[in-house]
Amino acid sequence: GAVVSQHPSWVICKSGTSVKIECRSLDFQATTMFWYRQFPKQSLMLMATSNEGSKATYEQGVEKDKFLINHASLTLSTLTVTSAHPEDSSFYICSAENYGYTFGSGTRLTVV
Amino acid sequence: GNSVTQMEGPVTLSEEAFLTINCTYTATGYPSLFWYVQYPGEGLQLLLKATKADDKGSNKGFEATYRKETTSFHLEKGSVQVSDSAVYFCALSETGGGADGLTFGKGTHLIIQP
Repeated sequence: GAVVSQHPSWVICKSGTSVKIECRSLDFQATTMFWYRQFPKQSLMLMATSNEGSKATYEQGVEKDKFLINHASLTLSTLTVTSAHPEDSSFYICSAENYGYTFGSGTRLTVV
Repeated sequence: GNSVTQMEGPVTLSEEAFLTINCTYTATGYPSLFWYVQYPGEGLQLLLKATKADDKGSNKGFEATYRKETTSFHLEKGSVQVSDSAVYFCALSETGGGADGLTFGKGTHLIIQP
């Protein structure tokens, strides 16, 4: 079946630095990918929708300059958390559309 | 806007017990409904789905029926196993076709004891 690989699975970074998270569709082409964020004991919240070759569409309240999304190819989307702060610590998970939704395994980001 | 409400966990059951995890939703149109499962250390996996009223989704002994009149999509299994221990998410999609993102419930942590 369809597989989405997300990397890294966890990362610890210092406050003020940037972190890049990759999401790859391994055996299919994904024209649309979704990025979610999950706080402890909370729902997964949709952050943005990225479409290959065009700008991402961000949900209300999500800072597009802070969460940079690039979807330069049909198999790769990246989320860069810029100038990370402790409040950005969260679980980030991507999903690719392929006759339904296939999810990556998520990235645990801790900003210290 | 859309929302999904599911019962809080953790839910702890003995092996072979009957399982119900409640899920209700609010949506403006006629959404597709999903149950996802997340095993420890893994990504979300689609468990089952239903795309229209009265549809029943089923997989691995789990079932859920799309009830438009009660805006519900409760997950049931007749006899749970230790291997069913995981976090279960109820979710909806306005389009169902993958063009929009999913709206999730908070997730229910299920613990099955031998």
